[in-house]
Amino acid sequence: DTGVSQDPRHKITKRGQNVTFRCDPISEHNRLYWYRQTLGQGPEFLTYFQNEAQLEKSRLLSDRFSAERPKGSFSTLEIQRTEQGDSAMYLCASSLSNRGTSNQPQHFGDGTRLSIL
Amino acid sequence: AQSVSQHNHHVILSEAASLELGCNYSYGGTVNLFWYVQYPGQHLQLLLKYFSGDPLVKGIKGFEAEFIKSKFSFNLRKPSVQWSDTAEYFCAVNARPGFQKLVFGTGTRLLVSP
Repeated sequence: DTGVSQDPRHKITKRGQNVTFRCDPISEHNRLYWYRQTLGQGPEFLTYFQNEAQLEKSRLLSDRFSAERPKGSFSTLEIQRTEQGDSAMYLCASSLSNRGTSNQPQHFGDGTRLSIL
Repeated sequence: AQSVSQHNHHVILSEAASLELGCNYSYGGTVNLFWYVQYPGQHLQLLLKYFSGDPLVKGIKGFEAEFIKSKFSFNLRKPSVQWSDTAEYFCAVNARPGFQKLVFGTGTRLLVSP
Protein backbone atom coordinates (compact mmCIF):
# COMPACT_ATOMS: atom_id res chain seq x y z
CA ASP A 1 0.00 0.00 0.00
CA THR A 2 1.52 3.33 -1.05
CA GLY A 3 -0.97 5.57 0.70
CA VAL A 4 -0.35 8.26 3.30
CA SER A 5 1.41 6.81 6.33
CA GLN A 6 1.25 8.23 9.85
CA ASP A 7 3.21 7.28 12.93
CA PRO A 8 2.43 6.51 15.67
CA ARG A 9 -1.16 5.29 15.43
CA HIS A 10 -1.78 6.05 19.08
CA LYS A 11 0.01 8.26 21.58
CA ILE A 12 -0.83 8.51 25.27
CA THR A 13 1.02 11.11 27.27
CA LYS A 14 0.76 13.16 30.42
CA ARG A 15 -0.31 16.76 30.34
CA GLY A 16 2.65 19.08 29.90
CA GLN A 17 4.73 16.66 27.83
CA ASN A 18 5.82 17.30 24.26
CA VAL A 19 4.74 14.99 21.45
CA THR A 20 5.76 14.67 17.82
CA PHE A 21 3.91 12.94 15.01
CA ARG A 22 5.20 11.97 11.60
CA CYS A 23 3.48 11.85 8.24
CA ASP A 24 4.82 10.28 5.05
CA PRO A 25 2.74 11.42 2.07
CA ILE A 26 2.18 9.57 -1.18
CA SER A 27 5.58 9.78 -2.81
CA GLU A 28 4.82 12.01 -5.81
CA HIS A 29 2.54 14.37 -3.88
CA ASN A 30 3.95 17.85 -3.35
CA ARG A 31 1.20 19.13 -1.05
CA LEU A 32 0.80 17.96 2.53
CA TYR A 33 -1.93 18.90 4.99
CA TRP A 34 -2.56 18.48 8.70
CA TYR A 35 -6.06 18.30 10.18
CA ARG A 36 -7.40 17.67 13.66
CA GLN A 37 -10.59 15.74 14.38
CA THR A 38 -12.38 15.60 17.71
CA LEU A 39 -15.25 13.33 18.64
CA GLY A 40 -18.44 14.09 16.78
CA GLN A 41 -16.82 16.64 14.51
CA GLY A 42 -15.40 16.65 11.03
CA PRO A 43 -11.70 17.23 10.44
CA GLU A 44 -10.52 20.81 10.99
CA PHE A 45 -7.69 22.27 8.93
CA LEU A 46 -4.47 23.07 10.77
CA THR A 47 -1.81 23.80 8.15
CA TYR A 48 -0.50 22.87 4.74
CA PHE A 49 2.78 22.69 2.86
CA GLN A 50 3.64 22.95 -0.78
CA ASN A 51 6.97 21.16 -1.02
CA GLU A 52 8.92 22.44 2.00
CA ALA A 53 7.09 25.78 2.28
CA GLN A 54 4.38 26.15 4.91
CA LEU A 55 1.83 28.25 3.05
CA GLU A 56 -1.15 28.45 5.37
CA LYS A 57 -1.77 28.07 9.08
CA SER A 58 -5.09 28.00 10.87
CA ARG A 59 -5.78 30.12 13.92
CA LEU A 60 -6.31 26.74 15.63
CA LEU A 61 -2.56 26.26 15.42
CA SER A 62 -1.45 27.94 18.62
CA ASP A 63 2.17 28.76 19.34
CA ARG A 64 2.50 25.38 21.09
CA PHE A 65 2.06 23.69 17.71
CA SER A 66 4.74 23.59 15.06
CA ALA A 67 4.89 21.70 11.79
CA GLU A 68 7.82 21.14 9.49
CA ARG A 69 8.49 19.55 6.15
CA PRO A 70 12.22 20.11 5.82
CA LYS A 71 12.95 18.28 2.58
CA GLY A 72 9.55 18.48 1.00
CA SER A 73 8.83 14.82 1.70
CA PHE A 74 7.75 13.69 5.20
CA SER A 75 6.36 16.13 7.73
CA THR A 76 6.33 16.34 11.52
CA LEU A 77 3.78 17.97 13.79
CA GLU A 78 4.98 18.81 17.29
CA ILE A 79 2.84 19.85 20.20
CA GLN A 80 4.66 21.35 23.17
CA ARG A 81 3.34 21.43 26.73
CA THR A 82 0.30 19.34 25.83
CA GLU A 83 -3.07 20.20 27.35
CA GLN A 84 -6.23 18.13 27.86
CA GLY A 85 -7.86 19.94 24.94
CA ASP A 86 -5.21 18.64 22.58
CA SER A 87 -6.72 15.15 22.78
CA ALA A 88 -7.88 14.41 19.26
CA MET A 89 -7.16 12.48 16.09
CA TYR A 90 -4.47 14.20 14.02
CA LEU A 91 -4.88 13.51 10.33
CA CYS A 92 -2.41 14.00 7.54
CA ALA A 93 -3.36 14.26 3.87
CA SER A 94 -1.47 14.77 0.64
CA SER A 95 -2.25 15.79 -2.91
CA LEU A 96 -0.51 16.49 -6.18
CA SER A 97 -0.58 19.90 -7.71
CA ASN A 98 1.12 21.15 -10.82
CA ARG A 99 0.07 22.90 -13.98
CA GLY A 100 -1.15 19.72 -15.58
CA THR A 101 -3.03 18.34 -12.59
CA SER A 102 -5.12 21.05 -11.02
CA ASN A 103 -7.95 20.23 -8.63
CA GLN A 104 -6.54 16.98 -7.31
CA PRO A 105 -8.28 15.61 -4.21
CA GLN A 106 -6.58 15.05 -0.90
CA HIS A 107 -5.73 11.52 0.24
CA PHE A 108 -5.83 10.89 3.97
CA GLY A 109 -3.80 8.71 6.30
CA ASP A 110 -5.14 6.66 9.21
CA GLY A 111 -4.33 9.39 11.70
CA THR A 112 -2.58 9.56 15.06
CA ARG A 113 -4.88 9.41 18.05
CA LEU A 114 -3.53 11.54 20.90
CA SER A 115 -4.79 11.04 24.44
CA ILE A 116 -3.69 13.41 27.19
CA LEU A 117 -3.88 12.03 30.72
CA ALA B 1 -15.74 32.13 6.15
CA GLN B 2 -16.76 28.87 4.60
CA SER B 3 -18.94 26.43 6.53
CA VAL B 4 -20.60 23.13 5.76
CA SER B 5 -23.80 21.80 7.30
CA GLN B 6 -24.81 18.18 7.32
CA HIS B 7 -28.34 17.95 8.60
CA ASN B 8 -28.51 14.27 9.46
CA HIS B 9 -26.16 13.19 12.22
CA HIS B 10 -27.37 9.61 12.40
CA VAL B 11 -29.27 7.65 9.78
CA ILE B 12 -30.52 4.09 10.13
CA LEU B 13 -31.73 2.23 7.06
CA SER B 14 -32.56 -1.29 6.06
CA GLU B 15 -30.74 -2.90 3.17
CA ALA B 16 -32.17 -1.95 -0.25
CA ALA B 17 -33.57 1.32 1.07
CA SER B 18 -32.70 4.51 -0.77
CA LEU B 19 -30.31 7.00 0.77
CA GLU B 20 -30.07 10.76 0.59
CA LEU B 21 -27.71 12.70 2.85
CA GLY B 22 -27.99 16.45 2.90
CA CYS B 23 -25.08 18.87 2.61
CA ASN B 24 -25.25 22.64 2.41
CA TYR B 25 -22.33 25.03 2.30
CA SER B 26 -21.93 28.72 2.78
CA TYR B 27 -19.61 30.47 0.37
CA GLY B 28 -20.54 32.89 -2.34
CA GLY B 29 -17.81 32.07 -4.82
CA THR B 30 -16.74 29.10 -6.88
CA VAL B 31 -16.20 25.92 -4.90
CA ASN B 32 -14.93 22.39 -5.19
CA LEU B 33 -17.17 19.88 -3.41
CA PHE B 34 -16.39 16.46 -2.03
CA TRP B 35 -17.91 13.54 -0.21
CA TYR B 36 -15.56 11.41 1.85
CA VAL B 37 -16.45 8.13 3.57
CA GLN B 38 -14.85 6.56 6.61
CA TYR B 39 -15.56 2.87 7.11
CA PRO B 40 -15.10 1.51 10.63
CA GLY B 41 -11.41 1.38 11.48
CA GLN B 42 -10.31 2.84 8.17
CA HIS B 43 -9.07 6.18 6.91
CA LEU B 44 -11.10 8.79 5.07
CA GLN B 45 -11.61 7.82 1.44
CA LEU B 46 -12.84 9.96 -1.41
CA LEU B 47 -16.30 8.91 -2.55
CA LEU B 48 -16.83 11.52 -5.24
CA LYS B 49 -15.97 15.09 -6.17
CA TYR B 50 -17.36 18.01 -8.13
CA PHE B 51 -15.09 20.59 -9.71
CA SER B 52 -17.06 21.85 -12.71
CA GLY B 53 -19.30 20.68 -15.54
CA ASP B 54 -22.18 18.28 -15.14
CA PRO B 55 -23.69 18.95 -11.70
CA LEU B 56 -24.63 15.29 -11.30
CA VAL B 57 -21.48 13.42 -10.39
CA LYS B 58 -21.07 9.70 -9.98
CA GLY B 59 -18.67 8.17 -7.51
CA ILE B 60 -17.58 4.78 -6.38
CA LYS B 61 -19.86 2.02 -5.11
CA GLY B 62 -22.99 3.37 -6.80
CA PHE B 63 -23.03 6.72 -5.03
CA GLU B 64 -23.89 9.96 -6.79
CA ALA B 65 -24.30 13.58 -5.77
CA GLU B 66 -26.00 16.57 -7.29
CA PHE B 67 -24.65 20.10 -7.07
CA ILE B 68 -27.46 22.66 -6.97
CA LYS B 69 -25.76 26.03 -7.04
CA SER B 70 -28.91 28.04 -6.28
CA LYS B 71 -29.43 26.03 -3.09
CA PHE B 72 -25.74 25.82 -2.12
CA SER B 73 -26.31 22.09 -1.79
CA PHE B 74 -24.42 18.92 -2.67
CA ASN B 75 -26.60 16.02 -1.52
CA LEU B 76 -25.36 12.45 -1.64
CA ARG B 77 -27.62 9.70 -2.95
CA LYS B 78 -27.67 5.97 -3.45
CA PRO B 79 -30.73 4.15 -4.76
CA SER B 80 -30.22 0.95 -2.79
CA VAL B 81 -27.88 0.72 0.21
CA GLN B 82 -26.03 -2.37 1.36
CA TRP B 83 -24.89 -3.45 4.81
CA SER B 84 -21.33 -2.66 3.68
CA ASP B 85 -22.28 1.01 3.30
CA THR B 86 -22.31 1.33 7.09
CA ALA B 87 -19.85 4.16 7.66
CA GLU B 88 -19.50 7.83 8.46
CA TYR B 89 -19.94 10.24 5.55
CA PHE B 90 -18.39 13.69 5.41
CA CYS B 91 -19.20 16.50 3.02
CA ALA B 92 -16.36 18.95 2.37
CA VAL B 93 -15.75 22.11 0.38
CA ASN B 94 -12.81 24.19 -0.65
CA ALA B 95 -13.05 27.55 -2.27
CA ARG B 96 -11.30 28.35 -5.52
CA PRO B 97 -8.96 29.82 -6.46
CA GLY B 98 -6.10 29.51 -4.07
CA PHE B 99 -7.71 28.01 -1.00
CA GLN B 100 -6.27 24.61 -0.25
CA LYS B 101 -7.88 23.72 3.02
CA LEU B 102 -10.94 21.53 3.08
CA VAL B 103 -13.81 22.61 5.30
CA PHE B 104 -15.74 19.58 6.51
CA GLY B 105 -19.21 19.08 7.84
CA THR B 106 -19.73 17.28 11.14
CA GLY B 107 -20.45 14.00 9.39
CA THR B 108 -23.39 11.62 9.12
CA ARG B 109 -23.15 8.21 10.69
CA LEU B 110 -25.03 5.67 8.56
CA LEU B 111 -26.05 2.30 9.91
CA VAL B 112 -27.49 -0.18 7.44
CA SER B 113 -29.20 -3.15 9.01
CA PRO B 114 -29.19 -6.43 7.09
